[in-house]
Amino acid sequence: EPEVTQTPSHQVTQMGQEVILRCVPISNHLYFYWYRQILGQKVEFLVSFYNNEISEKSEIFDDQFSVERPDGSNFTLKIRSTKLEDSAMYFCASRGQGGGSPLHFGNGTRLTVT
Amino acid sequence: GESVGLHLPTLSVQEGDNSIINCAYSNSASDYFIWYKQESGKGPQFIIDIRSNMDKRQGQRVTVLLNKTVKHLSLQIAATQPGDSAVYFCAEIPRTGANNLFFGTGTRLTVIP
Repeated sequence: EPEVTQTPSHQVTQMGQEVILRCVPISNHLYFYWYRQILGQKVEFLVSFYNNEISEKSEIFDDQFSVERPDGSNFTLKIRSTKLEDSAMYFCASRGQGGGSPLHFGNGTRLTVT
Repeated sequence: GESVGLHLPTLSVQEGDNSIINCAYSNSASDYFIWYKQESGKGPQFIIDIRSNMDKRQGQRVTVLLNKTVKHLSLQIAATQPGDSAVYFCAEIPRTGANNLFFGTGTRLTVIP
């Protein structure tokens, strides 16, 4: 069964550094998402992406965050200057066409900011 | 915005018993609901979904019930197994045509052998 893959599985960075989290969505999917989950808390929406542009973003997704689909297979989340509170699991998700299709999630990248 | 929540934080059941995990939502315009299972160190895994024009949907050992009158959603797991131990989230797409999914706080299911 096709799946969403994310790399790296764990990223440690120093405060103020830039990080790029990478995702390969399911190949025929059209909608792409980033979510984050702070330890022990619920999964929070960050941003959705469709047709090569952001379709919606949450208030968490401020100017420090950006997303890009640099080629036909990858979908990246960049955090320009990481803060301690950015430490979390970051999940990429994708879904196919149609309002009634579920999001499929990757296994996440654990970001630790020190 | 998100409106899903009001889970019990934990639920313990004996192996072989049925489990019922509940979720309430407040947005009457919510159109589509999904149950996800999250095991430790993994991403949310799709279990079953239901659209707002349905009351019940069944899968393999799982059933989702939707009561739009009281804005309540439940996940029933038949003959619960140790592998069912995980955190279960209900999630909604808040309106027709929206693309984003909003998660509730989750219920941790522990299956006692």
